Amino acid sequence: AQKVTQAQTEISVVEKEDVTLDCVYETRDTTYYLFWYKQPPSGELVFLIRRNSFDEQNEISGRYSWNFQKSTSSFNFTITASQVVDSAVYFCALSEGAGANSKLTFGKGITLSVRP
Amino acid sequence: SAVISQKPSRDICQRGTSLTIQCQVDSQVTMMFWYRQQPGQSLTLIATANQGSEATYESGFVIDKFPISRPNLTFSTLTVSNMSPEDSSIYLCSVDQGQFFGPGTRLTVL
Repeated sequence: AQKVTQAQTEISVVEKEDVTLDCVYETRDTTYYLFWYKQPPSGELVFLIRRNSFDEQNEISGRYSWNFQKSTSSFNFTITASQVVDSAVYFCALSEGAGANSKLTFGKGITLSVRP
Repeated sequence: SAVISQKPSRDICQRGTSLTIQCQVDSQVTMMFWYRQQPGQSLTLIATANQGSEATYESGFVIDKFPISRPNLTFSTLTVSNMSPEDSSIYLCSVDQGQFFGPGTRLTVL
């Protein structure tokens, strides 16, 4: 069975600090996808990234970066120079298989608070 | 890409009643997924809806409680039946392996 563990439940930082959100996953599939989502207080789920299991290159998008390490089954997310608008709940998720019809298993989420 | 809309965006319902949530996608998709997010919790898959066949339910969810319709490739409904306060949640539909989620339906049951 698939499992996603986000051991951190709440993180509080001061604006401009860097913060890393951890995600560890378990799966028996050899082909899978990993995701990160942001859920601001308004409640909508914002897709941030999808990474397939064969692509271990790190990804950077503006202040966001992702570190995928298959050896440790981790897919960590770093926000550089955090801002108050980054305050949200962040979810890591894992797909079962790799097709468009695959369902997702979510972690419990990490509540990030960025203080001015 | 896909744009997903849901109706209603929120509702407050009385115990024992039913509510039908609609999910509309702007393109044809094979599978649609329905998720529930209870207050302060993560998302849990309710069922997968394939056009032309019965939905497939996850453990802990049954068709009598959450009947789903999938009449065509762009539309699905989820009904929450005989509601209780424990059904108070955000209900979201999704397509394309999680890359696209609807805005959610925030349900409160009194």
